[in-house]
Amino acid sequence: EAGVTQFPSHSVIEKGQTVTLRCDPISGHDNLYWYRRVMGKEIKFLLHFVKESKQDESGMPNNRFLAERTGGTYSTLKVQPAELEDSGVYFCASSPLGPGSGNTIYFGEGSWLTVV
Amino acid sequence: GESVGLHLPTLSVQEGDNSIINCAYSNSASDYFIWYKQESGKGPQFIIDIRSNMDKRQGQRVTVLLNKTVKHLSLQIAATQPGDSAVYFCAEKSGGSYIPTFGRGTSLIVHP
Repeated sequence: EAGVTQFPSHSVIEKGQTVTLRCDPISGHDNLYWYRRVMGKEIKFLLHFVKESKQDESGMPNNRFLAERTGGTYSTLKVQPAELEDSGVYFCASSPLGPGSGNTIYFGEGSWLTVV
Repeated sequence: GESVGLHLPTLSVQEGDNSIINCAYSNSASDYFIWYKQESGKGPQFIIDIRSNMDKRQGQRVTVLLNKTVKHLSLQIAATQPGDSAVYFCAEKSGGSYIPTFGRGTSLIVHP
């Protein structure tokens, strides 16, 4: 079974440009999460989808970040325009829906973003 | 505010030694705790979890201890191997939330 896959694995862009990160969750997982780790700090929650609906987007830093999950399958996270402080690794994770079954979430390998 | 943190950012051990990674949490409502391992260039991987109604849980070479009185969590790795070198994160969840909150992480370095 394929795990959570993310694309691109690495991206270097200039300040002011746009980057779109993609996440394909594990097949059948209705929960999808985006997290970010910046400069060796903690892994911070960005937002949570249940199917195509945003369940919690309290961690989104500002309106330069836009996440979508049309159709409830894959998700994209767009940063526009990118700033230097957006550099970091963006993790996507997924888990099945249901009582207790969301306790274990499965992470992708991350999209490593560098803004120069 | 509520937070999950770690006492030691870096832990160096010799191969074969036992490792203990500590984590303090402050959210008294947390009822589920998870340890993740993140190897270089990879995403966090689930290691072991524990519910708040337990104080100890064992896995293969790993043991998690939970002390709710002092809000402390630890991960013990027996006979540490070079392949155990990674950053270890503790995370907590509360109530019916699906979303774990992560601490800063501890880098474990295992010397051959």
